[in-house]
Amino acid sequence: ETGVTQSPTHLIKTRGQQVTLRCSSQSGHNTVSWYQQALGQGPQFIFQYYREEENGRGNFPPRFSGLQFPNYSSELNVNALELDDSALYLCASSLLQRGEQYFGPGTRLTVT
Amino acid sequence: GESVGLHLPTLSVQEGDNSIINCAYSNSASDYFIWYKQESGKGPQFIIDIRSNMDKRQGQRVTVLLNKTVKHLSLQIAATQPGDSAVYFCAEDPGNAGNMLTFGGGTRLMVKP
Repeated sequence: ETGVTQSPTHLIKTRGQQVTLRCSSQSGHNTVSWYQQALGQGPQFIFQYYREEENGRGNFPPRFSGLQFPNYSSELNVNALELDDSALYLCASSLLQRGEQYFGPGTRLTVT
Repeated sequence: GESVGLHLPTLSVQEGDNSIINCAYSNSASDYFIWYKQESGKGPQFIIDIRSNMDKRQGQRVTVLLNKTVKHLSLQIAATQPGDSAVYFCAEDPGNAGNMLTFGGGTRLMVKP
């Protein structure tokens, strides 16, 4: 196990709703990245937080937002859910921005 | 558990044989590459990495080869075991702030006992 935990494990939401996913990074890791993994595909980078600031963003619309807290845990918020948002959401933490990343088990989001 | 890679390319090997998984990457500016293993119900697990100033790196039972000329990466697994069955992804770091990885599509490795 990597020490990265995510909650909840599974979640079902209705189109148009909002969702918050949570991640606790490995102890001492100050960088958290979020990825979206659609079924049958590789993970896609959403954004990264470093010391509570968004440090970089992939090709995702503004309705995907996040937070990082002083203890380096993180949230991913998605507003106005669409059916295509159904995916496994992964967070990964690292000690340095270019250090080895440790992934959590993911949250499976289903939008109906 | 989670189903990962329902429609991915599949490599089927006999237990004890060597496996070679290939990956083409897209960004010639990428300077760091990683191989991940993902089992059902789990997040990707780091296997081995390589920086662009190297063309080969070896770990325990695994070797990564990098050919920058043709933007190709391969993962070799020696003496493949049933526990190696999983989906394997290569990932590239475009070299900006770091750890904002671009993943390939993945290959499912199936090991026959």
